[in-house]
Amino acid sequence: DVKVTQSSRYLVKRTGEKVFLECVQDMDHENMFWYRQDPGLGLRLIYFSYDVKMKEKGDIPEGYSVSREKKERFSLILESASTNQTSMYLCASSDSGVSNQPQHFGDGTRLSIL
Amino acid sequence: GEDVEQSLFLSVREGDSSVINCTYTDSSSTYLYWYKQEPGAGLQLLTYIFSNMDMKQDQRLTVLLNKKDKHLSLRIADTQTGDSAIYFCAEIPMDTGRRALTFGSGTRLQVQP
Repeated sequence: DVKVTQSSRYLVKRTGEKVFLECVQDMDHENMFWYRQDPGLGLRLIYFSYDVKMKEKGDIPEGYSVSREKKERFSLILESASTNQTSMYLCASSDSGVSNQPQHFGDGTRLSIL
Repeated sequence: GEDVEQSLFLSVREGDSSVINCTYTDSSSTYLYWYKQEPGAGLQLLTYIFSNMDMKQDQRLTVLLNKKDKHLSLRIADTQTGDSAIYFCAEIPMDTGRRALTFGSGTRLQVQP
């Protein structure tokens, strides 16, 4: 089974802090994704990466950056956290060699910015 | 453009069938997925269907696709209390180069004993 692990289930930070959310997958997947989930809005794509050191903006990249130095790890960075970034953050990975490319998700990080 | 819509809430009694509906707008060949999210957890892939199929059945789950109306449904037979969760419909079109899923807002299924 694919395992996607997010480093924290719950995180509380202060406005203006630099915040790192970490995600690791163990299936050698090329694609990795960061989404945020808010009530009534479903999941919205922040950034994704299709290879080491490669990244592309998703639908809501403002206020975020990402890092992919190793294939198995994809980090989401909040450069200067703000209260409107309080949300559930979900990481996913997929295998680009499979046509249907199902995404496998971690358990999520619930981030609160005070 | 891509847009996926779902109703927000569905309540059923234990043992009844549940039908969760989804509409999408993309007209290209696409994969369509159903995910389940239990409280405090990530998303679990339930099943998927390619847009050249009409139906897919997997144990208690039946997916129906009306390609003309761009309507997708997930039927859960003999619904149990453990089926209470949020169900997300998602799609990924095959000819756009987009690698990420587009999700609906999710349908919260409440199963009453």
